[in-house]
Amino acid sequence: ETGVTQSPTHLIKTRGQQVTLRCSSQSGHNTVSWYQQALGQGPQFIFQYYREEENGRGNFPPRFSGLQFPNYSSELNVNALELDDSALYLCASSLGGGGETDTQYFGPGTRLTVL
Amino acid sequence: QKEVEQNSGPLSVPEGAIASLNCTYSDRGSQSFFWYRQYSGKSPELIMFIYSNGDKEDGRFTAQLNKASQYVSLLIRDSQPSDSATYLCAAYSSASKIIFGSGTRLSIRP
Repeated sequence: ETGVTQSPTHLIKTRGQQVTLRCSSQSGHNTVSWYQQALGQGPQFIFQYYREEENGRGNFPPRFSGLQFPNYSSELNVNALELDDSALYLCASSLGGGGETDTQYFGPGTRLTVL
Repeated sequence: QKEVEQNSGPLSVPEGAIASLNCTYSDRGSQSFFWYRQYSGKSPELIMFIYSNGDKEDGRFTAQLNKASQYVSLLIRDSQPSDSATYLCAAYSSASKIIFGSGTRLSIRP
């Protein structure tokens, strides 16, 4: 167990809808990163937050947005859902500012299906 | 060219043998590397990280890093059926984020 939790476990939405996924990091972990993992692929970096500020972003459109809260929880919001958004969404928390030796610990993930 | 490349496998290894998993990366600015294990339907779990050239051992696992060749490997000694999983190699890129490979499926046959 990594101490990182995510909710919900599974979610089914239709095209065009909006979704909010939630993550609770380990206590004391100031950094949270979100990843999208399509079937048969490695996790793709969406963005990272450090102490409630966005600290980096991958190649995802603006309809993917996030928030981090002072209580070590965070959200991933996706607007205007597309079929290709169907994937496992993972959050990972770490102690520091995402530096080179900052080890990330993953939550169990949320499986999103877009119909 | 993908930033972190792995052979997708499956790699089939007999129980008790050494499993060797390989990974190459394209960003010479990458300094830290990670190996994660992912069971089907589960999230990745960290096995090891390495940032110095050479070998790093932890139990049955040895990570090897060769920055000149931009090559990272993971050796699993005395392979067990419970080692059957997908192994993800990841690099901390110079753009300050972790980039994952697509993973290698490992199957340990009894």
